[in-house]
Amino acid sequence: NAGVTQTPKFQVLKTGQSMTLQCAQDMNHNSMYWYRQDPGMGLRLIYYSASEGTTDKGEVPNGYNVSRLNKREFSLRLESAAPSQTSVYFCASTTGTVGEKLFFGSGTQLSVL
Amino acid sequence: LAKTTQPISMDSYEGQEVNITCSHNNIATNDYITWYQQFPSQGPRFIIQGYKTKVTNEVASLFIPADRKSSTLSLPRVSLSDTAVYYCLVGPLNTNAGKSTFGDGTTLTVKP
Repeated sequence: NAGVTQTPKFQVLKTGQSMTLQCAQDMNHNSMYWYRQDPGMGLRLIYYSASEGTTDKGEVPNGYNVSRLNKREFSLRLESAAPSQTSVYFCASTTGTVGEKLFFGSGTQLSVL
Repeated sequence: LAKTTQPISMDSYEGQEVNITCSHNNIATNDYITWYQQFPSQGPRFIIQGYKTKVTNEVASLFIPADRKSSTLSLPRVSLSDTAVYYCLVGPLNTNAGKSTFGDGTTLTVKP
């Protein structure tokens, strides 16, 4: 199994451009998450989807939108990129049940110039 | 969500046992403690999880005292490949574990 797959792995944007980060999991997990990680810091939750059809804000949602396209896919969109959004973005998924653990993708390195 | 405090960094040598302590004074009754490991340019990876006393798996042990206000991750006989950032998370597992707060983690450097 591939687990959690993120695309693209690297992206450079100019200020004001938009883009969508893609995430897909093949583990039949109910819950999916988007985090950002700035250099030398821990992960901060942007948005999450507890189940197909639902999304909720996390700790740092401003400047982002998400779509839970189906049970497998959860995308993150930057409508108008800003330099402050330069970061590494990680997608994760869990079963959503007791004893769950997070499975992470390999990340997307995003630079906004 | 419970806030966690960990040392920023630790150094060790190959073959030694490493203990990383996490403080979580406001842990709730239904909170579990979970540790993740992150290598550079990779997403975090689950190591171990527990609620109380001691949990052991093939890679680590987790010690949790009776008051559960702290926990200690123990890595036996570390090698160079254990150099990574280790995160302690505290949160309820039955309601979106992904909402648990990641602190800044502990950077473990293992030296030859």
